[in-house]
Amino acid sequence: QQQVKQSPQSLIVQKGGISIINCAYENTAFDYFPWYQQFPGKGPALLIAIRPDVSEKKEGRFTISFNKSAKQFSLHIMDSQPGDSATYFCAASLGNAGNMLTFGGGTRLMVKP
Amino acid sequence: ETGVTQTPRHLVMGMTNKKSLKCEQHLGHNAMYWYKQSAKKPLELMFVYNFKEQTENNSVPSRFSPECPNSSHLFLHLHTLQPEDSALYLCASSRTNSGFDTQYFGPGTRLTVL
Repeated sequence: QQQVKQSPQSLIVQKGGISIINCAYENTAFDYFPWYQQFPGKGPALLIAIRPDVSEKKEGRFTISFNKSAKQFSLHIMDSQPGDSATYFCAASLGNAGNMLTFGGGTRLMVKP
Repeated sequence: ETGVTQTPRHLVMGMTNKKSLKCEQHLGHNAMYWYKQSAKKPLELMFVYNFKEQTENNSVPSRFSPECPNSSHLFLHLHTLQPEDSALYLCASSRTNSGFDTQYFGPGTRLTVL
């Protein structure tokens, strides 16, 4: 079964702190791992994505760490800001088998000022 | 704005009603998707269209009927729904149906089935 398990379900972080969200997948054939950010009343929007040929990808304050052997990947938000308060979803797909994303359950992040 | 619009934004319907959700993308994309977002469940892919042709039906009940008249428009026709179908229905599009192409989501239609 193609599943992506995400934790924690909710996270409260102080402004300036590091937010860490973890995901684990089962299908070793997955080769594309995006993270989406969703604000209330909006649809999800791509935040950052990684392919399994690299172990880390950084874009500004957002970093994906990828552990292929453990079948896990995580999102790190450095210097978290109140504007980062949103729901974050990890996802996985088979890059060459149609754009069918399997999503994790989501993490509701609240950054306190 | 993402370039993907959805109407209506909110819809309340009875179990015997027939209604339709509309999605339009202004991005020149060729692939479009319907997702269901329920509380406490992961986003579920429902249908995939590529160049107007349905390429994926993720075991969705027949009370949901998609229609894609062209690459810019996608509809979801609803009939005889159940209360458990109440959810946020999201439309997305991508340039191609490659798994590496970014999907751009609309704001969704919040559906309540009474």
